[in-house]
Amino acid sequence: GAGVSQSPSNKVTEKGKDVELRCDPISGHTALYWYRQSLGQGLEFLIYFQGNSAPDKSGLPSDRFSAERTGGSVSTLTIQRTQQEDSAVYLCASSPQGTYGYTFGSGTRLTVV
Amino acid sequence: AQSVTQLGSHVSVSEGALVLLRCNYSSSVPPYLFWYVQYPNQGLQLLLKYTTGATLVKGINGFEAEFKKSETSFHLTKPSAHMSDAAEYFCAVSDRERDDKIIFGKGTRLHILP
Repeated sequence: GAGVSQSPSNKVTEKGKDVELRCDPISGHTALYWYRQSLGQGLEFLIYFQGNSAPDKSGLPSDRFSAERTGGSVSTLTIQRTQQEDSAVYLCASSPQGTYGYTFGSGTRLTVV
Repeated sequence: AQSVTQLGSHVSVSEGALVLLRCNYSSSVPPYLFWYVQYPNQGLQLLLKYTTGATLVKGINGFEAEFKKSETSFHLTKPSAHMSDAAEYFCAVSDRERDDKIIFGKGTRLHILP
């Protein structure tokens, strides 16, 4: 597609349930990033995929968070046993290479109740 | 490691006045620098970027930023504010020591006063 697509756009889940967030990057973009945006916290880096290199997982806040990127394209961010503090907007971005800046998706607003 | 500091989480200017949003960075290698804008209930959009070459960079909607190595700054300016400029602005630096991952500042919310 023309842009970065994220689904779902909104997700409400009960505390303790697992959720999967999907990101479909721009075709041909080798780099894919996940960020989390919480009220008053700015943009928090979560994980970064670049081509076939091992992903940079240094931003994942706990072992409940994981992400994969299949075939160098679509990525899924999984949060297990969700907690209320996981409520945030999860943003995905892709880039042909990091130096040119990202194109962001519209995000998934996750609410844990 | 690279980092970004945005001075002022909220900035208010009158319509027609100069907009100045401050950004300072730290980087041990020549940085790549970015400004992103997020309008209410929308995603982030690239406003402008500096990689190499001319240090004064022009972006969309009349914004520009100047890379000043001696001051480690990349402040964003616009000569005359418009109501439609009300948004949150993020300064960012490319972490060129870590595969070009982009590090964002905490953002500055710009309010335009009528």
